[in-house]
Amino acid sequence: AQTVTQSQPEMSVQEAETVTLSCTYDTSENNYYLFWYKQPPSRQMILVIRQEAYKQQNATENRFSVNFQKAAKSFSLKISDSQLGDTAMYFCAFMKPIVIQGAQKLVFGQGTRLTINP
Amino acid sequence: KAGVTQTPRYLIKTRGQQVTLSCSPISGHRSVSWYQQTPGQGLQFLFEYFSETQRNKGNFPGRFSGRQFSNSRSEMNVSTLELGDSALYLCASSLDGTGILNTEAFFGQGTRLTVV
Repeated sequence: AQTVTQSQPEMSVQEAETVTLSCTYDTSENNYYLFWYKQPPSRQMILVIRQEAYKQQNATENRFSVNFQKAAKSFSLKISDSQLGDTAMYFCAFMKPIVIQGAQKLVFGQGTRLTINP
Repeated sequence: KAGVTQTPRYLIKTRGQQVTLSCSPISGHRSVSWYQQTPGQGLQFLFEYFSETQRNKGNFPGRFSGRQFSNSRSEMNVSTLELGDSALYLCASSLDGTGILNTEAFFGQGTRLTVV
């Protein structure tokens, strides 16, 4: 079974700083998907960034980027020029790919509570 | 395009009662998954439905059940409620084709269930 570990329960940085959230996972699969989700106080989970394991290039979405180390099974999220609106819980998640319309199942880490201070 | 809609947003129930939660996926999405979120256990997968069939189920007791209708709307039911069932229940929908873009899960705002 896959497991996802986020070792930082809470983090706090000043606005405009760069912050990196850690995530490690355990799987015997060779191909899979990794995600970072954001959950603000409104509770709605919002996809921040996605990465396919067979792609060596790290994914980037505006101020958000990942450092994907497949051999180390590490998938960290970097937020550059942090903003007050980035304050939220951040969850790392793993999914096995659907090959022939298989079942959807996200395995989540425990989350990191990120606070951006003015 | 409307997002994933979950109703009701809040529920308070008494131990022993049963409850039904509803989820309307994004139009065109055929897969609906349910997750339970608690402070202690985090986010845990309950089950997933596709074309009215349950394709995958998490490690929850039989008191937790669900179904999906022909319009892809889904309901989950919890019978004989226990205090430990108090949680945020999240529903997610996806296209469920192949490739990472079609498997992206879009979440609703959840239903906060409190069992007293």
